[in-house]
Amino acid sequence: DAGVTQSPTHLIKTRGQQVTLRCSPKSGHDTVSWYQQALGQGPQFIFQYYEEEERQRGNFPDRFSGHQFPNYSSELNVNALLLGDSALYLCASSYDSAFRSYTFGSGTRLTVV
Amino acid sequence: EDKVVQSPLSLVVHEGDTVTLNCSYEVTNFRSLLWYKQEKKAPTFLFMLTSSGIEKKSGRLSSILDKKELFSILNITATQTGDSAVYLCAVETWAGSYQLTFGKGTKLSVIP
Repeated sequence: DAGVTQSPTHLIKTRGQQVTLRCSPKSGHDTVSWYQQALGQGPQFIFQYYEEEERQRGNFPDRFSGHQFPNYSSELNVNALLLGDSALYLCASSYDSAFRSYTFGSGTRLTVV
Repeated sequence: EDKVVQSPLSLVVHEGDTVTLNCSYEVTNFRSLLWYKQEKKAPTFLFMLTSSGIEKKSGRLSSILDKKELFSILNITATQTGDSAVYLCAVETWAGSYQLTFGKGTKLSVIP
């Protein structure tokens, strides 16, 4: 039973560039949420996708956007990268039901230089 | 704005000690409280608590929720070096969909 898969594992980008991170949810899960975890901090909610729509969004600027595909996989796009975007980006999948179980991927470590 | 506060932020103990990690919260539309262990990257699930006063146990770990006082504790008895990790507390809320709000975590270091 495959867990949550994220790619790439590490990424180095230059200020001003754009980046795309990918997430494949756990089998049977239909909801994907993205989190940003800065060094020494807890994960912060970016947004959630369900049925290919952004269902909820945290306090992040429009430079952060996403997409969910029919197979439930998801992408996170960040435009005009800033040094402060350097963080671990975590994807969590879940099944939208009364009994919820959140499974996290190992994340993508993004470094902006 | 939903808020989750964990204490202490870091803790160093010797193998065999018992530790108590704290998590307090102020949120709207509480649904559950979750504890995760984060060793390197992926947080791994420990407990989900929805009812007050019911202790959940898994081996040497246990946790309880107090919905009246808005806090939870995670206890680890007979600590081992393998317990060294960041322990994250997250509160699940409902605002049209379920969402997790995390605390900053408690970094636990267990020394031999």
